[in-house]
Amino acid sequence: SYELTQPPSVSVSPGQTATITCSGDPLPNQFAYWYQLRAGQAPILVIYKDTERPSGIPERFSGSSSVTTVTLTITGVQAEDEADYYCQTTDISGTYWVFGGGTKLTVL
Amino acid sequence: QVQLVESGGGVVQPGRSLRLSCAAPGIILRNYGMHWVRQAPGKGLEWVAVISDDGTKKYYGDSVKGRFTISRDNSKNTLHLQMNSLRADDTAVYFCAKGHCLNSNCDFGMDVWGKGTIVTVSS
Repeated sequence: SYELTQPPSVSVSPGQTATITCSGDPLPNQFAYWYQLRAGQAPILVIYKDTERPSGIPERFSGSSSVTTVTLTITGVQAEDEADYYCQTTDISGTYWVFGGGTKLTVL
Repeated sequence: QVQLVESGGGVVQPGRSLRLSCAAPGIILRNYGMHWVRQAPGKGLEWVAVISDDGTKKYYGDSVKGRFTISRDNSKNTLHLQMNSLRADDTAVYFCAKGHCLNSNCDFGMDVWGKGTIVTVSS
């Protein structure tokens, strides 16, 4: 199986930019996806295929990729963005899904 | 916002079985691959299983392979997870999730989720 590595926590003040990284071996060959998870709620897909934003997701959420690392950027962080964020990808055969360990975003 | 609805969770003894279900009001599930994902207490998300839109392909995470079975009934628009030989480390919130497709192009993301159902394995 594969592993995706994320920082356990990121803290920013409101209005600042938060960057959350995700690294792992499958990433050069497979797209990454990002999810927002708040306690007691359903996860929300915020970025798909490395850089695409689903309809309804605010423009302040963006994604980028570079070799073995993908990055979720939240520009102009708002209090409501405080949540856990998870990256996800698949193995090269597309038959095994894997999540990163998650990053807790704290808005100070 | 459209959401899936999981059911069937509860408290079960180690070694016993449990069957989870997922309903999809407002979504025609037969057009999509479907997943189960879980989150153990204090832990991150863990992918459990996926089933193709027609039910012919099924893949599992290493920790549940051979014990769990994913299935679907497209005529009833429902998804299931049969969990056998349950262990304490299967204790988690179990989410069902729909595979992401845009204009009939599907990728490996999951774009509609439920709020989960809690499974506790304890004697």
